Amino acid sequence: AAGVIQSPRHLIKEKRETATLKCYPIPRHDTVYWYQQGPGQDPQFLISFYEKMQSDKGSIPDRFSAQQFSDYHSELNMSSLELGDSALYFCASMGQGGDTQYFGPGTRLTVL
Amino acid sequence: AQSVTQLGSHVSVSEGALVLLRCNYSSSVPPYLFWYVQYPNQGLQLLLKYTTGATLVKGINGFEAEFKKSETSFHLTKPSAHMSDAAEYFCAVTRRDSGYSTLTFGKGTMLLVSP
Repeated sequence: AAGVIQSPRHLIKEKRETATLKCYPIPRHDTVYWYQQGPGQDPQFLISFYEKMQSDKGSIPDRFSAQQFSDYHSELNMSSLELGDSALYFCASMGQGGDTQYFGPGTRLTVL
Repeated sequence: AQSVTQLGSHVSVSEGALVLLRCNYSSSVPPYLFWYVQYPNQGLQLLLKYTTGATLVKGINGFEAEFKKSETSFHLTKPSAHMSDAAEYFCAVTRRDSGYSTLTFGKGTMLLVSP
């Protein structure tokens, strides 16, 4: 079965640079969630989208923005990167009327 | 607000022994409860979930969990541990009254399995 796809899988950036993470949900899933997992930490919710509209917002820094496109894929844009942004970023998707989020493999961002 | 408490950041068992990972939740509305497993450098894989109906739910790889409303618990068990079960396990909760609510995770429990 098709799963959530995230790209890139690994990303290395310098401080103050920008990064764009992409998420392709499971086909026919219309809701996308973004989570950040720091080293040794539990995943923390950042932001979510339902039918291309922001549906919920968590602890997402103002330096980050995200959107969901007409094909339901989503992008997380991160600017003015800081060392503390180094983490594993997960995307999850859920189908209409569903109750379960299915996670992608994550993008590991390292900020040097 | 919702929260999850996982007792024990690390649990060690011998291969073949019972696995018990504890999870207690707090929720002002009826919850949906989940267990996810994370292997090193990998994503989160759904083990099992409770939404409605039977309170004893079975998942993949021989794991099961029981929703106990009176105890606000959703402990994960497996009768006999296997070396391949070594991983980090996250309990998570979301609201039942919303179609697109976010997950709140516990801090995770690392399961160590020794031969």
